[in-house]
Amino acid sequence: AQSVSQHNHHVILSEAASLELGCNYSYGGTVNLFWYVQYPGQHLQLLLKYFSGDPLVKGIKGFEAEFIKSKFSFNLRKPSVQWSDTAEYFCALGGSGTYKYIFGTGTRLKVLA
Amino acid sequence: DSGVTQTPKHLITATGQRVTLRCSPRSGDLSVYWYQQSLDQGLQFLIQYYNGEERAKGNILERFSAQQFPDLHSELNLSSLELGDSALYFCASSVGFAGGPIDTQYFGPGTRLTVL
Repeated sequence: AQSVSQHNHHVILSEAASLELGCNYSYGGTVNLFWYVQYPGQHLQLLLKYFSGDPLVKGIKGFEAEFIKSKFSFNLRKPSVQWSDTAEYFCALGGSGTYKYIFGTGTRLKVLA
Repeated sequence: DSGVTQTPKHLITATGQRVTLRCSPRSGDLSVYWYQQSLDQGLQFLIQYYNGEERAKGNILERFSAQQFPDLHSELNLSSLELGDSALYFCASSVGFAGGPIDTQYFGPGTRLTVL
């Protein structure tokens, strides 16, 4: 079955701490992977995406993610978080051969000033 | 601003009623997606249209239906509403490829539906 798992539902960090949010997926074919962010009161926005090539993907606002095929993972990282990174983060999968997006349940990040 | 517009922003209605949510995609985008976001279910894919044709169906109830019009705007119709239908309904659009990989989606601000 196709699925996306985000095991950390709530994360609280202090400013300048490093961030890693886990995302694991289950899909039998080629995958396209995305991280979206939803700031309080705003719509979802794309942070970064992986289609092919270099498994280390850099996105906006200093975020990056690494696709590890052997581990079926696409974890999101940021070396030093800011208060403005407080938001909900969604990992999503689009499998080639389907037209569906599958979203994880999201991780709520709170950064303390 | 993603370029995707949704109306109305808020909708309050009673159980048993029917409502229509509207979405206008970004200029040039052919694909429209609908999602339901609730506290207990997260973000659930409902349905996708590409250039007027239904392309994929997710966890969409039979009481719900959607369509994409020739001008590419889309409407999501929710009928026989139940308390559990209260949620945030998002529309997203993408360029869309007839047979290619899934591309980046641009999300609208959502319609918050409250069923009393």
